[in-house]
Amino acid sequence: EPEVTQTPSHQVTQMGQEVILRCVPISNHLYFYWYRQILGQKVEFLVSFYNNEISEKSEIFDDQFSVERPDGSNFTLKIRSTKLEDSAMYFCASSDPGQGGYNSPLHFGNGTRLTVT
Amino acid sequence: KQEVTQIPAALSVPEGENLVLNCSFTDSAIYNLQWFRQDPGKGLTSLLLIQSSQREQTSGRLNASLDKSSGRSTLYIAASQPGDSATYLCAVRPGGFGNEKLTFGTGTRLTIIP
Repeated sequence: EPEVTQTPSHQVTQMGQEVILRCVPISNHLYFYWYRQILGQKVEFLVSFYNNEISEKSEIFDDQFSVERPDGSNFTLKIRSTKLEDSAMYFCASSDPGQGGYNSPLHFGNGTRLTVT
Repeated sequence: KQEVTQIPAALSVPEGENLVLNCSFTDSAIYNLQWFRQDPGKGLTSLLLIQSSQREQTSGRLNASLDKSSGRSTLYIAASQPGDSATYLCAVRPGGFGNEKLTFGTGTRLTIIP
């Protein structure tokens, strides 16, 4: 069964550094998402991306964050200058609107654990 | 603002028992509700999606129900097995065009005792 793939599985970085988290969504999917989960807290929405542009973002997704689909297969999340509070598990997800539009299920990757020291 | 609550936070049951996990949400204007499973340190695996017009969905030993008007959903697991041990999350998608984000509950950590 096709999967959403995320790399790396664990990233350690120093405060103030830039990080890029990478995702390969399922190949025929058209909607892409980033969510995060701080340890012990709820999974939170960051951003959705469709047709090469951001379609919705949360208040968490400030100017320090950006997303990009640099080619036909990758989807990246960049944090420009990391803070301690950015430490979390970051999940990429994708969905296929052909499977029911807004009723298409989201498929999640295994996540990248980001640790900011 | 949509709030999603899952009670209990943790549940332990002997193997073989049937069990019910609960999810409640404050705003009934939803497009759908999705149940996920999360294993420790892993991603989210989609289990079932119930559209707002549906009352229930079934997959194998899992049955999810939705009562949109009362803001409740349940996930029923029949004949539980140790492999069912995981955290179960529910998430709702708001109604209306352009509303794409899922709002998640805090999850129920399920332990099946062999």
